[in-house]
Amino acid sequence: ETGVTQSPTHLIKTRGQQVTLRCSSQSGHNTVSWYQQALGQGPQFIFQYYREEENGRGNFPPRFSGLQFPNYSSELNVNALELDDSALYLCASSLGDRNTEAFFGQGTRLTVV
Amino acid sequence: GESVGLHLPTLSVQEGDNSIINCAYSNSASDYFIWYKQESGKGPQFIIDIRSNMDKRQGQRVTVLLNKTVKHLSLQIAATQPGDSAVYFCAENKGSYGKLTFGQGTILTVHP
Repeated sequence: ETGVTQSPTHLIKTRGQQVTLRCSSQSGHNTVSWYQQALGQGPQFIFQYYREEENGRGNFPPRFSGLQFPNYSSELNVNALELDDSALYLCASSLGDRNTEAFFGQGTRLTVV
Repeated sequence: GESVGLHLPTLSVQEGDNSIINCAYSNSASDYFIWYKQESGKGPQFIIDIRSNMDKRQGQRVTVLLNKTVKHLSLQIAATQPGDSAVYFCAENKGSYGKLTFGQGTILTVHP
């Protein structure tokens, strides 16, 4: 086990709704990165939070937003859900902002109907 | 553009054989690479990493080779076991922040 925990493990939302996913980083890690993994594909980088600030963003629209808290846990928020947002959402924690030895959680499986 | 890709999407081996999974990357500025193993329904599991100032790195039953001349990365698994069956991803990191770019993945199936 990596020590990175995500919640919930599964959820189903309706198109247009909003969702919040949570991630607790491994002890001692100050960086959390979020990824979206569609079925049969590799994870795609959404954004990274380092010391409570967004520190890089992938090619995702502004309706994907996040937060990092003083204890380095993090949230991913997605507004106005679309069917294509259905995916496995992964968070990875690491020490420092280079994602060296980044460890992933089990993911949250989001289904939008 | 930047991309990390895999030559073989599937690989089937017999238990006890050695496995080699390949990965090509296009961005010569990439300076850090990681191999991950992902089992069904789970998040990617860190296997081994290598920096661009190295050619080879060994772990427990695994070896990663980096050829910067041809921008090629490989993961060698010795004495492959059924528990090694999974999807394997290579990922690259470059730049001032920790964006990992993942390849498509290779499905490794180990037959008893």
